[in-house]
Amino acid sequence: EIVLTQSPGTLSLSPGERATLSCRASQSVSSSYLAWYQQKPGQAPRLLIYGASSRATGIPDRFSGSGSGTDFTLTISRLEPEDFAVYYCQQYGSSPSFGGGTKVEIK
Amino acid sequence: QVQLVQSGSELKKPGASVKVSCKASGYTFTSYAMNWVRQAPGQGLEWMGWINTNTGNPTYAQGFTGRFVFSLDTSVSTAYLQISSLKAEDTAVYYCARDFSWDGSGWYKYWGQGTLVTVSS
Repeated sequence: EIVLTQSPGTLSLSPGERATLSCRASQSVSSSYLAWYQQKPGQAPRLLIYGASSRATGIPDRFSGSGSGTDFTLTISRLEPEDFAVYYCQQYGSSPSFGGGTKVEIK
Repeated sequence: QVQLVQSGSELKKPGASVKVSCKASGYTFTSYAMNWVRQAPGQGLEWMGWINTNTGNPTYAQGFTGRFVFSLDTSVSTAYLQISSLKAEDTAVYYCARDFSWDGSGWYKYWGQGTLVTVSS
């Protein structure tokens, strides 16, 4: 089973700042089968990124994903008010699993 | 457009059973796997497993064997999650999520709205 560790647990930033979220896997994620989701309170998760770096349909280009192997990053270039939420990484290559989440909160 | 509509909130007593439904529309139901994801109050997402909507074969994640059963009714494009012998720790929101792939190896663009199951005496 692949364990995903997200850091930091909470990121306190101001609108307009850059957010960098990390997701580290306990073993290599095959074929970069890694996705990122955004979740707001009371809502279902929303797909942002799949294949480590491909943006899902309708996702603004301020969201970008990078990485391979065991280290992956989600970057939000300039935070908009609607971006404050919890973000989860997921590996879906083998017996899928989610990371514990990073909360991006307003500073 | 693709939609997954889940059944409403449930309040159950310990030891009871519950069956959550997930009705799909806007696509060919048997062409994509269906996943189930649990989220306990204030906690993260936990993958429970998936079901092959073509064969009906379920795959359960560790920790979700025995009391959890995935099933289908393809005639009405609906997936089901049944939980038996409910415990307080089963209290959570349960989501269905459509896989990008037929074989459970994809990402999840489409999600149901979630069903809150509360277990309390």
